[in-house]
Amino acid sequence: SAVISQKPSRDICQRGTSLTIQCQVDSQVTMMFWYRQQPGQSLTLIATANQGSEATYESGFVIDKFPISRPNLTFSTLTVSNMSPEDSSIYLCSVEAQGRVGETQYFGPGTRLLVL
Amino acid sequence: DAKTTQPPSMDCAEGRAANLPCNHSTISGNEYVYWYRQIHSQGPQYIIHGLKNNETNEMASLIITEDRKSSTLILPHATLRDTAVYYCIVRVVSDNNDMRFGAGTRLTVKP
Repeated sequence: SAVISQKPSRDICQRGTSLTIQCQVDSQVTMMFWYRQQPGQSLTLIATANQGSEATYESGFVIDKFPISRPNLTFSTLTVSNMSPEDSSIYLCSVEAQGRVGETQYFGPGTRLLVL
Repeated sequence: DAKTTQPPSMDCAEGRAANLPCNHSTISGNEYVYWYRQIHSQGPQYIIHGLKNNETNEMASLIITEDRKSSTLILPHATLRDTAVYYCIVRVVSDNNDMRFGAGTRLTVKP
């Protein structure tokens, strides 16, 4: 399994500002994933981050709005840029790691963002 | 296009077994069945996954039908803390593959 931490756990931000969310995992992993969960909704993948290369973004998400860094095999950041109230969500990172029956994904506790 | 179908909600009495169904009639031969749950405002918690054999761990049992078109997650003795949204996901195991979450089943365990 993998133990994942995220910082901050929650934040309240003003519109037009940016917030950088950190994701730290306790083991080296190839891929890290960033998800968004809007209020009352299920999880939606934002992008996939591979160490040493540009992140791959899903349809509807762009690098200018959600720049991602992946400087090493245990860490990644997601920035929510030029925030608006519509960006109020839970942001989650996850990693692929070995489980008891093959590989699976483990999720961090999430970052709860409220944009005023 | 949804790869899994789950009932939107279920109730279960505390101490009884909770049986959560999932239909995945278009599952491919190399796709695994995964189950996660999300307790209010927390990150999704991995529960169990399998390919075609039934699986059991300390949290739950996973029963997959022989044709693999459906599965059931069993919580043998549900407690109030098992109240959560349960997600059934099918996925090919690969470093590049994310988890595609549907709406899930909201399980309410009642005293």
